This record gives sequence, structure tokens and C-alpha cells, in this order.
Amino acid sequence: SQWGEENLQALSIQEGEDVTMNCSYKTYTTVVHWYRQDSGRGPALIILIRSNEREKRSGRLRATLDTSSQSSSLSITAAQCEDTAVYFCATDEDSGGSNYKLTFGKGTLLTVTP
Amino acid sequence: DPKIIQKPKYLVAVTGSEKILICEQYLGHNAMYWYRQSAKKPLEFMFSYSYQKLMDNQTASSRFQPQSSKKNHLDLQITALKPDDSATYFCASSQDNREYAEQFFGPGTRLTVL
Repeated sequence: SQWGEENLQALSIQEGEDVTMNCSYKTYTTVVHWYRQDSGRGPALIILIRSNEREKRSGRLRATLDTSSQSSSLSITAAQCEDTAVYFCATDEDSGGSNYKLTFGKGTLLTVTP
Repeated sequence: DPKIIQKPKYLVAVTGSEKILICEQYLGHNAMYWYRQSAKKPLEFMFSYSYQKLMDNQTASSRFQPQSSKKNHLDLQITALKPDDSATYFCASSQDNREYAEQFFGPGTRLTVL
């Protein structure tokens, strides 16, 4: 597996709190994708961070990427109930001949309560 | 309007039967993919196509056969169904099959094999 062997994690926070989710990966990558998946839906990309960026922001989201420790984080500031979802990190893997596939981590189930 | 259509949304099949999962994308993308998500494993890459040509197959079993009749179609035929095939199957697409490409996911087909 490309990702650390942690199980699907679950976090529960209250509205207005900040939260950080972490991923660690095993092999070299130049990009980490963060997806969110709402119940009954397909994953949707929320932020993509490249190895030369170290940090990227989009609204209340902040992603970091540390290639030296092979880890990435996603932070949500002032979480809202609609942020409740499963969050996945994913890397691009070249399966040969520059054919890329996404390899997903196991995800974090984030629940934001009023 | 939905940009990636998957049909049906739910599918129940008996062991040993054959089913076809339909995927159509209206994003004008050149690359399409299939992923599987089960309770036991994270989102798992299955196939990638680029310009209707198979680029990568990470599915060990030949019971899974993608079919691309048009550039924006990538169906998935599954034969000799087994209970272990029960999962949600997601179709995805991207502009091209390259590094950093954002993949857009459909809503999924939830398959249950009895």
C-alpha cells in the first residue's frame, strides 16, 4: 500500500472548531490530492498540493505537504455542519509509461455537530 | 446537470450472473477510469482509458472487462459475479491521463451480489 496502515479514522468536533487531518505515504510523490466524499456520493476534489508548494489554501481549507517526512495534512478552519464528510488523501502513481492512477488513503470521517 | 452519469445507482445480482455498469461523461474529457470502494478496502483503482484505449489494468480478474463504445463512455462488464464483488463502483474522468490531472467522479453504482 502507498499509504500508512491506519484504519479509517473518525473525528467529531463542534461547529466553529478547527480540525486537522493527517496522511502519511510510503513512496515518493510530487502531488497530494485531497478529496471529500459525502454520504452516497462520489469523491470530489477539494484541494491539490504539489511538492513545490508546501502549503496551499482554498477558503477555509489549508493543505500542507512535507516531502521530507512523506506526510500531508488538511486543516479546516471554523468547521461547519456541512463539512461533515469523509476526507481522503490520494497520490498520483505512475503505473508505467506515464499512465497515472490515484491511490487513496483510508480516509477520515469528520462529523461536525451544532 | 450531472456531468458524469452512472447507471444504475443500485444493482442486486445473484452469484454467477453477469452485469454491466454504465458510465457516461459530459465533460469533454479524454481519460476515464473505474474505481471500486468496499467496506473492507479504501477506494481502489481498477482501470484507466485514454482516447478509448486501455492504459492500465490493476484488476487481477478477467471477470472485469471495461468497454468503451464511444469516447465519453466507459462501461464495466462483470461476469460470474461473486459476493466479494459487492462494492460501490465509481467511474471517473479527467482531461488527460497525466500527472496532476484532476479526476472527477460519478455518483457510483452500488452492487450487491447475493
